[in-house]
Amino acid sequence: GENVEQHPSTLSVQEGDSAVIKCTYSDSASNYFPWYKQELGKRPQLIIDIRSNVGEKKDQRIAVTLNKTAKHFSLHITETQPEDSAVYFCAASSRYGNKLVFGAGTILRVKS
Amino acid sequence: DAGITQSPRYKITETGRQVTLMCHQTWSHSYMFWYRQDLGHGLRLIYYSAAADITDKGEVPDGYVVSRSKTENFPLTLESATRSQTSVYFCASSVPGTDNSPLHFGNGTRLTVT
Repeated sequence: GENVEQHPSTLSVQEGDSAVIKCTYSDSASNYFPWYKQELGKRPQLIIDIRSNVGEKKDQRIAVTLNKTAKHFSLHITETQPEDSAVYFCAASSRYGNKLVFGAGTILRVKS
Repeated sequence: DAGITQSPRYKITETGRQVTLMCHQTWSHSYMFWYRQDLGHGLRLIYYSAAADITDKGEVPDGYVVSRSKTENFPLTLESATRSQTSVYFCASSVPGTDNSPLHFGNGTRLTVT
């Protein structure tokens, strides 16, 4: 089945700097790649997603890139702010049905 | 998103007891999912359902049972709880489409098995 690896597991950046989180997936048939943000004690919430027919997508300070050939995708956050501090999860759709397989998560700390 | 609610929010139970976690959604989404969240493992799929009366196993189904007699409800039962099932459980739903669609998560249930 699908396997998603996420790096780094923790990331500390200074406020205003950029943060990059990378994920790789194993199933070449996967076609949907969302990113979720989870604040402490809260539910995961979708922040951006990308489909396999698109190479890059931006939404204000957040962008996601996808390299289908290499089977990896990345989350880029620019001009980080303290409220960006959270756990971020990448995910990939599995070959069957509407299921998502998640990476292990990245704890992002933005220091002010 | 008040459209998907989980109960209880917190539960403490003893090893060997049966416990049921409830999930209710008001969006009439076809797909519903149960994930467990453990440190270092992210979110792992336990069971999912494509529609009423259709359920299937995910990555970690052992020790769990689900049912879906109505579209809006998807309860998860631990038949005989073990300490390894101490976790945070998230229910989620999504609308099916040609491509996969985002998951909408409930607030989670923190389960402790003593």
